[in-house]
Amino acid sequence: EAQVTQNPRYLITVTGKKLTVTCSQNMNHEYMSWYRQDPGLGLRQIYYSMNVEVTDKGDVPEGYKVSRKEKRNFPLILESPSPNQTSLYFCASSGLGRRETTYEQYFGPGTRLTVT
Amino acid sequence: KQEVTQIPAALSVPEGENLVLNCSFTDSAIYNLQWFRQDPGKGLTSLLLIQSSQREQTSGRLNASLDKSSGRSTLYIAASQPGDSATYLCAPMEYGNKLVFGAGTILRVKS
Repeated sequence: EAQVTQNPRYLITVTGKKLTVTCSQNMNHEYMSWYRQDPGLGLRQIYYSMNVEVTDKGDVPEGYKVSRKEKRNFPLILESPSPNQTSLYFCASSGLGRRETTYEQYFGPGTRLTVT
Repeated sequence: KQEVTQIPAALSVPEGENLVLNCSFTDSAIYNLQWFRQDPGKGLTSLLLIQSSQREQTSGRLNASLDKSSGRSTLYIAASQPGDSATYLCAPMEYGNKLVFGAGTILRVKS
């Protein structure tokens, strides 16, 4: 089954304790990205990756790091989490086509993070 | 900066009605537009993708139109059912494959 998986699905942690949220896709997609969803602010892009070893900042990258060492995995790293990073996080992936023909993006089930 | 507005913000209808959900965006330089549904506490499910060169896309009881030049997209839901109750999100795609999301329309279909 084609899917995007995220782990963990729920996480409660304390300020300053480094954590990693994993994302994996089995569709051989080049493109992967991370979004966060907050009430009243909607979904906002954190980081994205066009392919292995190619990553770039989205709209709200502060406090986050990513890496793309394998095509299927795109982990999100919070080196020193703070309460304002409490949010619902989504990973997404898609193939990359020609400029005018792009593919639909598939989203993972989400990771609900609480930082106290 | 792209801004996406969805109207109405919330909608409550009896089962069987045909529905229209509206989405407008400020920058017409988009590559495609995707409609999603999100159930409470769950992830996003892709409903339809319309390429920038297309005017319309259909899937079952869903039909989405795109008028790129005027910055508008509409999602039609025919013969609504209680199982259609969810939040519907519109997301035009910009350079870098970035989706820019609207706040969504919360739909409730009453049986």
